[in-house]
Amino acid sequence: AQKVTQAQTEISVVEKEDVTLDCVYETRDTTYYLFWYKQPPSGELVFLIRRNSFDEQNEISGRYSWNFQKSTSSFNFTITASQVVDSAVYFCALSERTSYDKVIFGPGTSLSVIP
Amino acid sequence: GAVVSQHPSRVICKSGTSVKIECRSLDFQATTMFWYRQFPKQSLMLMATSNEGSKATYEQGVEKDKFLINHASLTLSTLTVTSAHPEDSSFYICSARPRVLYQETQYFGPGTRLLVL
Repeated sequence: AQKVTQAQTEISVVEKEDVTLDCVYETRDTTYYLFWYKQPPSGELVFLIRRNSFDEQNEISGRYSWNFQKSTSSFNFTITASQVVDSAVYFCALSERTSYDKVIFGPGTSLSVIP
Repeated sequence: GAVVSQHPSRVICKSGTSVKIECRSLDFQATTMFWYRQFPKQSLMLMATSNEGSKATYEQGVEKDKFLINHASLTLSTLTVTSAHPEDSSFYICSARPRVLYQETQYFGPGTRLLVL
């Protein structure tokens, strides 16, 4: 069975600090996809990244970076120089190839960036 | 990018009535659509998977007679909450998987807030 754990329920940081959101997943599939989504107060999900299980390269996009480590089944997300607009709930998610790609979400981490 | 719409965005209804929520893929065909439910301060929970032209597959614990799903075309899926009760008040989100082979990305709709009085 697939499972996603986000141990941090809530995080508060002061603006301009760096913050890392943790994600640990479980799957029996060898082919799977990992995602990060942002959900601002409006509720609409904002897609941030999709990572293929065969691609362990870390990725950087502006102030965002992701660290994918298959050895520890982790897919952590770091925001550098956080801004107030980064305040939102962030979800890590997993999709297995053998489950018709349905996306299973972690519990989410609520990030508050304080000015 | 691909766009998925939901209608209505917000609905308030009386207890006992039925509510229909539409999910449309606007610029692509979707063989598979998914319905999620999100209670306040909780994560998104998958309710069901619907494939065009066939019956939906419901997740454990989801009442298929209460949450009717129809996926009659490659661009439209509907979720009907029958005889809604206050505990059905939630945020309902759909997602659509493009028909193009090997394109695994799903696209999420903006969600529908349901309040049952």
